[in-house]
Amino acid sequence: KQEVTQIPAALSVPEGENLVLNCSFTDSAIYNLQWFRQDPGKGLTSLLLIQSSQREQTSGRLNASLDKSSGRSTLYIAASQPGDSATYLCAVSSGTYKYIFGTGTRLKVLA
Amino acid sequence: DTAVSQTPKYLVTQMGNDKSIKCEQNLGHDTMYWYKQDSKKFLKIMFSYNNKELIINETVPNRFSPKSPDKAHLNLHINSLELGDSAVYFCASSQGGQGGVYGYTFGSGTRLTVV
Repeated sequence: KQEVTQIPAALSVPEGENLVLNCSFTDSAIYNLQWFRQDPGKGLTSLLLIQSSQREQTSGRLNASLDKSSGRSTLYIAASQPGDSATYLCAVSSGTYKYIFGTGTRLKVLA
Repeated sequence: DTAVSQTPKYLVTQMGNDKSIKCEQNLGHDTMYWYKQDSKKFLKIMFSYNNKELIINETVPNRFSPKSPDKAHLNLHINSLELGDSAVYFCASSQGGQGGVYGYTFGSGTRLTVV
């Protein structure tokens, strides 16, 4: 049974810092992994999708990597800004027809 | 032009009532989902539909009955609402069961409060 864990559960950093969010999964047989952002009281916004054949994806200040064999993904945020404050969720597709979500990392970037 | 839209956004109702939440997607996807986000913000799959066919029913009480009249719509009807049903319910869609090229797209959620 696939389980997804995110570390740390919460993170507070000063503006401008580069930071790394971690996601680990127990079953390496995944189809893809997707990172989302959730603002308080809002829906999920897709940030990056990594297919199982890919090692990384980049969008602006965000870079996500995938290491299937070790069951890990990282989301790197460069030059963090207060507007990056949100909960970041990773989700994996390891069977069909459902994503398994991680527990989330609550990020606060201080001005 | 919202890709995945849910109505209503907020729903406050009394225990024992029956209520419905509607979801529509205009992305042309063939797979739709209902997820529940509990008070600890954990997201868990409830149902998956592919081309109007139920694929996954993840041990959800049978008070919850999804219906997909066509590929673009997935509704959720809840009978005899209980306090524990209070949560945020998210609809999502994708092309194919593994997420396809673009992954999952989520709606903005329906916050259900049972009093």
